[in-house]
Amino acid sequence: SQTIHQWPATLVQPVGSPLSLECTVEGTSNPNLYWYRQAAGRGLQLLFYSIGIDQISSEVPQNLSASRPQDRQFILSSKKLLLSDSGFYLCANQGVSYGYTFGSGTRLTVV
Amino acid sequence: AQSVTQLDSQVPVFEEAPVELRCNYSSSVSVYLFWYVQYPNQGLQLLLKYLSGSTLVKGINGFEAEFNKSQTSFHLRKPSVHISDTAEYFCAVAQPRAGTALIFGKGTTLSVSS
Repeated sequence: SQTIHQWPATLVQPVGSPLSLECTVEGTSNPNLYWYRQAAGRGLQLLFYSIGIDQISSEVPQNLSASRPQDRQFILSSKKLLLSDSGFYLCANQGVSYGYTFGSGTRLTVV
Repeated sequence: AQSVTQLDSQVPVFEEAPVELRCNYSSSVSVYLFWYVQYPNQGLQLLLKYLSGSTLVKGINGFEAEFNKSQTSFHLRKPSVHISDTAEYFCAVAQPRAGTALIFGKGTTLSVSS
């Protein structure tokens, strides 16, 4: 079965600092990967998705970027964090028969 | 483009009562439908999904949902809830093609009290 690892679980960062959140997938190859952000009262917003190495699509223009340097690694980054970047970040994989699997998430607080 | 509307942001119920969480979707193409549950500070867990076949779908933890194409709805039901069902529930849609992303509603908070 597929497992998605995300770290760190929680993160407190000052405004203007850089960000790097990592997501790795076990149990499958060539996964379709997604980054979502969950803000209070706003549901889950799709940020980026990737169908392969170095193939990234952005859904919402913003202060964030994503990279996929390896088949099973998906990284979310920012050069300078804003207060509005606070939220719960989830990585997901599209599995067999549309069995999307989610990681346990990273709670980011920008102060 | 697809969109999902969860009609109730909060649903309070008493233990052992039945519950229905409502979900409507909008799409110009056929879609697959999903319900996920999220416990505090955790990721999402799949409750059930509709891809094709019978419109009544049974999932984990005693939940079921019915796909109604004419009303573009996919309401989630449970005949008797437990305290442990307290969580946030998300309805989602996806186009039936590889690489497509899930599009979520804003969620419904189910609060079960004794």
